[in-house]
Amino acid sequence: DARVTQTPRDKVTEMGQEVTMRCQPILGHNTVFWYRQTMKQGLELLAYFRNRAPLDDSGMPKDRFSAEMPDATLATLKIQPSEPRDSAVYFCASGLVLDGRAGTDTQYFGPGTRLTVL
Amino acid sequence: KQEVTQIPAALSVPEGENLVLNCSFTDSAIYNLQWFRQDPGKGLTSLLLIQSSQREQTSGRLNASLDKSSGRSTLYIAASQPGDSATYLCAVRPRETSGSRLTFGEGTQLTVNP
Repeated sequence: DARVTQTPRDKVTEMGQEVTMRCQPILGHNTVFWYRQTMKQGLELLAYFRNRAPLDDSGMPKDRFSAEMPDATLATLKIQPSEPRDSAVYFCASGLVLDGRAGTDTQYFGPGTRLTVL
Repeated sequence: KQEVTQIPAALSVPEGENLVLNCSFTDSAIYNLQWFRQDPGKGLTSLLLIQSSQREQTSGRLNASLDKSSGRSTLYIAASQPGDSATYLCAVRPRETSGSRLTFGEGTQLTVNP
């Protein structure tokens, strides 16, 4: 059955290094979301794309984070340089908005990337 | 700013019991509300989506209700099973033209004991 896939599943890196996380949304979905989950903050939306265009990235620290969709089958989240406080599980989710009716899409989550920055 | 609260934070019940999980939100101007399940180390699985015009949704042993005016939703699980053990999160979506931003509660960790 169709699923959102994310790579890598686990990433351990040292402070200052660049980290790139990848997401393949469900084929045919036109919205993509990046979330971060920590014990302290819970789930937070970092960025949201519709039809590959960024609509909301207000939750993302702009100085070090960037999110892109090079094509409809790939979304990336990059952190440069990484810091220990970025350690979290990063989830990608995708959905299908029909006829421009915002909010109608059920979001389907990927398994997440567990990032540890030492 | 929308705030979502889930009570209780944790719940432990014997198998077979019917149970209710609660979710409250501060801003009633929502588009819809969604209940998710998260297993340890895994992503979220959508369980039920209730549009703001609806009062409830049912799927198998799960029933979710929505009272938008009072800012509350409940997730009812009938005849609970050990396989229901997971964290349950509710999330609300604001009534905005661009809105797909979900605001999540902190979740209720459910343990069903055999």
